[in-house]
Amino acid sequence: DTAVSQTPKYLVTQMGNDKSIKCEQNLGHDTMYWYKQDSKKFLKIMFSYNNKELIINETVPNRFSPKSPDKAHLNLHINSLELGDSAVYFCASSPAGLYNEQFFGPGTRLTVL
Amino acid sequence: AQRVTQPEKLLSVFKGAPVELKCNYSYSGSPELFWYVQYSRQRLQLLLRHISRESIKGFTADLNKGETSFHLKKPFAQEEDSAMYYCALSTSGSARQLTFGSGTQLTVLP
Repeated sequence: DTAVSQTPKYLVTQMGNDKSIKCEQNLGHDTMYWYKQDSKKFLKIMFSYNNKELIINETVPNRFSPKSPDKAHLNLHINSLELGDSAVYFCASSPAGLYNEQFFGPGTRLTVL
Repeated sequence: AQRVTQPEKLLSVFKGAPVELKCNYSYSGSPELFWYVQYSRQRLQLLLRHISRESIKGFTADLNKGETSFHLKKPFAQEEDSAMYYCALSTSGSARQLTFGSGTQLTVLP
């Protein structure tokens, strides 16, 4: 199947731990993104990345860092997890060009205890 | 900075009734606007984009630059339209991030 996939689907962890969420797209897209959806269903961009630039939303704590081993992957690393990091994290990708659709992954529900 | 406002968090209509989900934006550049939909237990997906001027699943949305609005409309709502709807604005630049509104949960009652 051609799609954007994320692992794990659910992640439950203790405060202070370091965790990673993986994202892969086999659509051949140039740009990948990470979004955070909070408990009120509000979606907010965290990062966008292509092979030329990384754009970081200024409100994202530096405990969050994207890492891209290759064009098809953009993983999200989170250090020193806090209670407020509990949310659903969505990965997305899009081809280059104007007005192009972003394709979203199924989401990873992170719960920090 | 860009901003997208969806004033209604919850909206309920009866099946067969018209529905309008409101979206207003503020952006200094030329706007690229989209509606995304998230059905229960499914991933977020594109519903329509302003540049296409298309009707998808009976929904249409017209960009009104004078009123800075991009309201989503459907003349006759169906129960399967029940979902979370997000209006989104794409910024200019090489990495086109989406700025989402806060979403409107539409429930179509039988």
